[in-house]
Amino acid sequence: GNSVTQMEGPVTLSEEAFLTINCTYTATGYPSLFWYVQYPGEGLQLLLKATKADDKGSNKGFEATYRKETTSFHLEKGSVQVSDSAVYFCALISPNNQGGKLIFGQGTELSVKP
Amino acid sequence: DGGITQSPKYLFRKEGQNVTLSCEQNLNHDAMYWYRQDPGQGLRLIYYSQIVNDFQKGDIAEGYSVSREKKESFPLTVTSAQKNPTAFYLCASSRTSGGDNREETQYFGPGTRLLVL
Repeated sequence: GNSVTQMEGPVTLSEEAFLTINCTYTATGYPSLFWYVQYPGEGLQLLLKATKADDKGSNKGFEATYRKETTSFHLEKGSVQVSDSAVYFCALISPNNQGGKLIFGQGTELSVKP
Repeated sequence: DGGITQSPKYLFRKEGQNVTLSCEQNLNHDAMYWYRQDPGQGLRLIYYSQIVNDFQKGDIAEGYSVSREKKESFPLTVTSAQKNPTAFYLCASSRTSGGDNREETQYFGPGTRLLVL
């Protein structure tokens, strides 16, 4: 079946460090891929998305490239800030859709220290 | 401002009690979803609705019920049959439901945290 696997957290970085959060997926065909962010006690916000192979999604300094050959969608940011501290979720919508259901990874908690 | 509202923010359930979580959207979206989040885990789909007066079970529908009488509203009832209801519940909506909606972004509400007394 379809699934998403993220690197385990928590990830702790110093301000201005480089961030990578790994995400790989299993799905038939070409799913759409998403990164959502959740701040403490809040709902999820879409961070970026990519809907076809080799697409790059970007927003607020974060980037992720849809790699079909490695079934990956790793999240990167060149210089993190304390305000980036949150839980990050990788997710997909499969080609056979199931009503547009999002399939989530388990989330990766990021903590950025001043 | 358009968005999704959920109420209450915190809800307490007694043993054997049914409780209802509210979800309202003013985005004119066709599709609505309910997800459950447990600590340290991703979200799992409970129910979804692609159009008014129609809904389908998700992956963990047992012990839950929903209705979709209006486009704007998709309330979730946690019944006494749900033996482990303590979780964070998130409602979401997206613009379309028909055809290939892989590109449609789901927008989430702020969530309701359900606790058992």
